[in-house]
Amino acid sequence: DSGVTQTPKHLITATGQRVTLRCSPRSGDLSVYWYQQSLDQGLQFLIQYYNGEERAKGNILERFSAQQFPDLHSELNLSSLELGDSALYFCASSGSTSLSSYNEQFFGPGTRLTVL
Amino acid sequence: AQSVAQPEDQVNVAEGNPLTVKCTYSVSGNPYLFWYVQYPNRGLQFLLKYITGDNLVKGSYGFEAEFNKSQTSFHLKKPSALVSDSALYFCAVRVQKTSYDKVIFGPGTSLSVIP
Repeated sequence: DSGVTQTPKHLITATGQRVTLRCSPRSGDLSVYWYQQSLDQGLQFLIQYYNGEERAKGNILERFSAQQFPDLHSELNLSSLELGDSALYFCASSGSTSLSSYNEQFFGPGTRLTVL
Repeated sequence: AQSVAQPEDQVNVAEGNPLTVKCTYSVSGNPYLFWYVQYPNRGLQFLLKYITGDNLVKGSYGFEAEFNKSQTSFHLKKPSALVSDSALYFCAVRVQKTSYDKVIFGPGTSLSVIP
């Protein structure tokens, strides 16, 4: 058990809908990362937050957004969903006390999103 | 461009034989390198990392990795493979630019250990 929790575990929805994925990092970790994993794209970095502020952006679509709250949990919002958004979405956290990324990341179990 | 590559999509090895999963990288500055493993229907788990120091890094589950600066490689190794080592392995590298500091992952290598 990595100490990172994600809810829900599975999510089935329709095209055009909006969903929210939730992540609670390990106790004390200030950095939260979101990733999308699909068969054709592999593991894609979406976005990173550090202590409530956005620190790095990857291949995140404009239809997607995220935030990190004062209690350090994070939410990833996916809107106007398309069939191609079906994937596993992982959250990870690390114990970075600075902006440096040399600390390893601890991954949650993921949320499997299916868009029908 | 800063990147990490895993040249093999699939590696098959017999149980008890040594295994190697390859990784090469391209970054500016000193590389910070990681290996992660993903078992079916699970999140990634950290195996080991190289920051500085000894080129041979030891990690979890008997895995080790050798940092080779001249070949820009960071291959994952294990002396004797177990069937339970069958999983997806990801190499990752820290990428640092003026506007961000993040880790990028390679495409992954699927390891099958045959009984």
